[in-house]
Amino acid sequence: EVQLVESGGGLVQPGGSLRLSCAASGFTFSNYWMTWVRQAPGMGLEWVANIKQDGSGKYYVDSVKGRFSISRDNAKNSLFLQMNSLRPEDTAVYYCARDKAGSGWITPLGYFDLWGRGTPVTVSS
Amino acid sequence: ERVMTQSPATLSVSPGERATLSCRASQSISSNLAWYQHKSGQAPRLLIYGASTRATGIPARFSGSGSGTEFTLTISSLQSEDFAVYYCQQYDNWPPGTFGQGTKVEIK
Repeated sequence: EVQLVESGGGLVQPGGSLRLSCAASGFTFSNYWMTWVRQAPGMGLEWVANIKQDGSGKYYVDSVKGRFSISRDNAKNSLFLQMNSLRPEDTAVYYCARDKAGSGWITPLGYFDLWGRGTPVTVSS
Repeated sequence: ERVMTQSPATLSVSPGERATLSCRASQSISSNLAWYQHKSGQAPRLLIYGASTRATGIPARFSGSGSGTEFTLTISSLQSEDFAVYYCQQYDNWPPGTFGQGTKVEIK
């Protein structure tokens, strides 16, 4: 089955760290740009970061630059988001998503044809 | 950054009726717009990309139109499984690819 499954969310204090994982299955993970998107309580979706097929290109929304780091392990079909210096405003459900751009695309298309169900992150003391 | 504004925030529709959702971009985004359906606790689902192209497996009752700054998602005859939140997203200018705040389609 083609799917993405996130894990690693939880409750963390402000200033703390958390590492999210996303396990991919049913498709050739290494062919695709991958993205993290989040949804804060009562809010809309927010693009967070994305990573090129081989990990050589990474982009972040301004609000997480210098605090979050996206990475991937193609041998293990896994995507990661290391989140440091967490703030209450980072509280959200975090989704991993597959960019529609597959093999051969040097740049992402920017929209997402496969999503996971998300993992919740709460930053609170 | 392109700001996406969706209207209305909530749309009350009876099953079988037509639903029309709007999305406006703060600057022209050509046809670089996608629509997603999201049900609570589930993975979001891509409905439309390129403003009007249905994604794989999406029923024909879903249609998208528009270009530039004004876009519309139409559900021709609402089915019970269509009650959800719908988001538009521009990918003309990234990062970031910005989303609208969503339109909740609820049962009237």
